[in-house]
Formats: sequence, C-alpha cells, structure tokens
Amino acid sequence: DAGVTQSPTHLIKTRGQHVTLRCSPISGHKSVSWYQQVLGQGPQFIFQYYEKEERGRGNFPDRFSARQFPNYSSELNVNALLLGDSALYLCASSFGGRGYTFGSGTRLTVV
Amino acid sequence: RKEVEQDPGPFNVPEGATVAFNCTYSNSASQSFFWYRQDCRKEPKLLMSVYSSGNEDGRFTAQLNRASQYISLLIRDSKLSDSATYLCVAVTGNQFYFGTGTSLTVIP
Repeated sequence: DAGVTQSPTHLIKTRGQHVTLRCSPISGHKSVSWYQQVLGQGPQFIFQYYEKEERGRGNFPDRFSARQFPNYSSELNVNALLLGDSALYLCASSFGGRGYTFGSGTRLTVV
Repeated sequence: RKEVEQDPGPFNVPEGATVAFNCTYSNSASQSFFWYRQDCRKEPKLLMSVYSSGNEDGRFTAQLNRASQYISLLIRDSKLSDSATYLCVAVTGNQFYFGTGTSLTVIP
C-alpha cells in the first residue's frame, strides 16, 4: 500500500511568490493535516481537514490556506512568500485520529 | 507557554545503556499522547501511543502521568540504530502539539 505521498519533494521560490503543495493520504484515510517544521523545531500544526471540512487551524497568518478534495487529497497554498516560510512542510493522514502517518514532506526554500 | 516542552538534549549514550526522556504538556484537556521518532531530514514516524497504564513495545516503554502532566519514554539496551530525534505529542481536540524533540546519539 502506498503511504502518504507529497509533491513536490523540493521547491525553491522567490519572496512574494505563491506556492501550492499537494498531498495524497493513505487509502481509506479521511483526515489530513498539514504541519510546518523549521530546522531544530518540532512540527507546528497548520490545518486539519476531515471529510473536506476544515476542523482545525493553527496560529498561522491568512496567507496560508488549504482545501481537501472529494478523493481526500489536499492542497496547502501559501501566498506572498516570506523568507521565514522556508521549512519542511509535512502532510499527515489518519484513520480515526489514532496517530498520524506522515508523508516525506516538501522542503520549501524561499530566497 | 508552549503546549509541549521537551529537553532538546543532546543525549549521547553508549550502546547497551538505558536512557529516559521526559516531556511535559500544559493543557490538562489533552486527551491522547504519542511518541514519534524522526531521523535526520526525514519525516516523523509513529513510535508508540502512550497510556496511563503504561505500555511496552520491546525495548521501549512509554508512560503517562496525568496528575503531573508528563509523558516519558524509556529505551533499554540502546542500539546504534536508536540514534534519532524523539518527539512527544499531546493531542487536544483535533490538534496534535509536538515538542521540539530530544536528540539521541548512541555511541559504539
């Protein structure tokens, strides 16, 4: 079985640009969450979606948005990129909240 | 105040040693807890859930103390392959709160 898949794996963007990150959950998992992990820190919660509805939002500015599609895949969008948005963006899926399985992440560098 | 606090370490221990990590959480409403392991430049992977009754998985033992709001992980007979960062997680509502992680290096 495929695990959580994320694309792209690496990305370099310029300040002010927009980025879209994609995530496909494990088959059968209806809950998807997004996390930002900067170097030396633990993952920080950004969003959670369940059955295409937003169920939770972390302390991130409105430049960050997300959505979940009918097939339970998800996109994370970040507008007006700042240097501080450089991080590993992790997507995780869960069946019933019994621990999350993470994808290998998208490493975003903003220059 | 952070939701979850961990000593970042690093912990450098010889092979075969026993090592313990502790983690505290601030929200008494947190309802479930986990330990994750993260290798360098990789994604976190679920190591084990944590229960008040304590749970064991081979050389790993996890414990939750709700009264003191701390979570522990004990690793016995450390192996070189245990070298990684260990993240504790407290779940409040729908949100997973991660600690900053504790770095462990097992030395030959």
